[in-house]
Amino acid sequence: DTEVTQTPKHLVMGMTNKKSLKCEQHMGHRAMYWYKQKAKKPPELMFVYSYEKLSINESVPSRFSPECPNSSLLNLHLHALQPEDSALYLCASSQDSPHVEQFFGPGTRLTVL
Amino acid sequence: QQPVQSPQAVILREGEDAVINCSSSKALYSVHWYRQKHGEAPIFLMILLKGGEQKGHDKISASFNEKKQQSSLYLTASQLSYSGTYFCGTGSNNAGNMLTFGGGTRLMVKP
Repeated sequence: DTEVTQTPKHLVMGMTNKKSLKCEQHMGHRAMYWYKQKAKKPPELMFVYSYEKLSINESVPSRFSPECPNSSLLNLHLHALQPEDSALYLCASSQDSPHVEQFFGPGTRLTVL
Repeated sequence: QQPVQSPQAVILREGEDAVINCSSSKALYSVHWYRQKHGEAPIFLMILLKGGEQKGHDKISASFNEKKQQSSLYLTASQLSYSGTYFCGTGSNNAGNMLTFGGGTRLMVKP
């Protein structure tokens, strides 16, 4: 299984809502990533987890809260988002080694009203 | 710093060749190439490592010029399926998992 799955595919939320994005992989990868992608822009790294521990936080606002409950799952908890947070949120996974292929999921398209 | 890709967009006829360039102002250890179709996940194409050899498969190949901190992606005899946005992602020596992506090159292949 060489697939990264993400749910939901689409999410619309208000600025006062709390929601979560989910990501799952069964490739035995121990590194997992969250990226944010605005329309017609490249993916921007948000967080990196290595062996279920947060290793990199690219100065992401606290209204985004990542969680890695086990080696196969990665969540992104959302609270009090702003309309400018609307974007495609991509999850990726890889072996926990530098300079290796990252496998991307299809993303969750988030709209904040 | 974000690597710079050129051209920003290119339109080809099926069977034509294309070259996409990626350059960085900082020292690179790896360059990753991905293709993303609209509304889909980025798909990995290849990695080039500093000191490594030119990579390729089928009609897509790439090179890495370490002195110039540049990489080029070569698409030969393009097919309709090559359409999409191509991103280069660069990794530094001490942060190999932290990819910084270029602005992307939109490629359209027409029949």
